[in-house]
Amino acid sequence: GAVVSQHPSWVICKSGTSVKIECRSLDFQATTMFWYRQFPKQSLMLMATSNEGSKATYEQGVEKDKFLINHASLTLSTLTVTSAHPEDSSFYICSAGVGGYQGYTFGSGTRLTVV
Amino acid sequence: GDSVTQMEGPVTLSEEAFLTINCTYTATGYPSLFWYVQYPGEGLQLLLKATKADDKGSNKGFEATYRKETTSFHLEKGSVQVSDSAVYFCASRGTYKYIFGTGTRLKVLA
Repeated sequence: GAVVSQHPSWVICKSGTSVKIECRSLDFQATTMFWYRQFPKQSLMLMATSNEGSKATYEQGVEKDKFLINHASLTLSTLTVTSAHPEDSSFYICSAGVGGYQGYTFGSGTRLTVV
Repeated sequence: GDSVTQMEGPVTLSEEAFLTINCTYTATGYPSLFWYVQYPGEGLQLLLKATKADDKGSNKGFEATYRKETTSFHLEKGSVQVSDSAVYFCASRGTYKYIFGTGTRLKVLA
């Protein structure tokens, strides 16, 4: 089945630094990947849709200059949290799939803690 | 806009008890409906899905039926196990965008 790998699984960084999170589709090509954010004990909120070879589409209220998304190949999308602040601490999850009526596969998530 | 509402947890059950987690949705059109499970520190795993009215999704003893008339997709399991302890998310998807419920934490005691 479709496998999505996300790396790193957790990261701690200092305020003001940038952090990059990778999302890879291991056994299929994904023209579209999605990035979600999950606050503690809350649901997932879609941040942006990552399209291979073009600019990402951000949801309302998500700062595109802060959350940089790059989808350079059919198997890799990256989310870079720039100038991180403690309020950016969260669980970030990517997903990808072949579309249609099939459910998308989710990565294992990245827990970001900004200190 | 579209939304998904599921019962708040936590839900605490004894092993072999019957489980129901309620989920209702609002949508324009006819979305596909999903249940995902999240174990501690992990991402989401697809548990089951249904793509049209009256479809029943099932997996690992869990079932949910797509009820258009009540706009519901309740999750049920006849006999839960300790290993079922996790957070369960109900979700709808129209074209490509998922709408998730807030999640229900299930704790099963031995």
